[in-house]
Amino acid sequence: QVQLVESGGGVVQPGRSLRLSCAASGFTFSSYAVHWVRQAPGKGLEWVSVISYDGSNKYYADSVKGRFTISRDNSKNTLYLQMSSLRVEDTAIYYCARDKWFDPWGQGTLVTVSS
Amino acid sequence: QAVVTQEPSLTVSPGGTVTLTCGSSTGTVTSGHSPYWFQQKPGQAPRTLIYDTNNKHSWTPARFSGSLLEGKAALTLSGAQPEDEAEYYCLLSYRGASWVFGGGTKLTVL
Repeated sequence: QVQLVESGGGVVQPGRSLRLSCAASGFTFSSYAVHWVRQAPGKGLEWVSVISYDGSNKYYADSVKGRFTISRDNSKNTLYLQMSSLRVEDTAIYYCARDKWFDPWGQGTLVTVSS
Repeated sequence: QAVVTQEPSLTVSPGGTVTLTCGSSTGTVTSGHSPYWFQQKPGQAPRTLIYDTNNKHSWTPARFSGSLLEGKAALTLSGAQPEDEAEYYCLLSYRGASWVFGGGTKLTVL
């Protein structure tokens, strides 16, 4: 079935880096743009970034611009989010979601930034 | 970056009707913003209910409908059920280069 599965979350110190992955299956990954969305504990949803189907266009929320980099490897059906200069306020569950109909969503991976 | 506003909380009686709205700080919300509506229950990932203003997924109950109403995107629930109690988020696209979620509406069915 159509599915996205995030991985790579964990506990990291402020200022350090972390890379998240989102593995796609059940659809032609290379045909769709894909988003990252995050949700801080007890808070609402925040759009983070989107990448076009071929990786040629990338857009970011102001809160992560210059610190996060979205990328994809269509040969591996995988989306990435390279997060650097992490801050305590980046603590959240990170979801990936396909652009078409904004569906499906993955189950999310928790990133905790703490000293 | 634009700010998208939703009612923080609403209450509806079982079987009743309620409308949630989604406004933009940049002005009138149009179909060009591709309004989305999501439902999220505690401990679960969000689930898309409505895309592109008024289109439903196969799993979207018929009692939910999307529209544009007085310059905002709107989600109307007609015939509320206890299982509809959840947080609802709207999402607007700004020329495909910026996407902004509303702060969410906590819907209580009581």
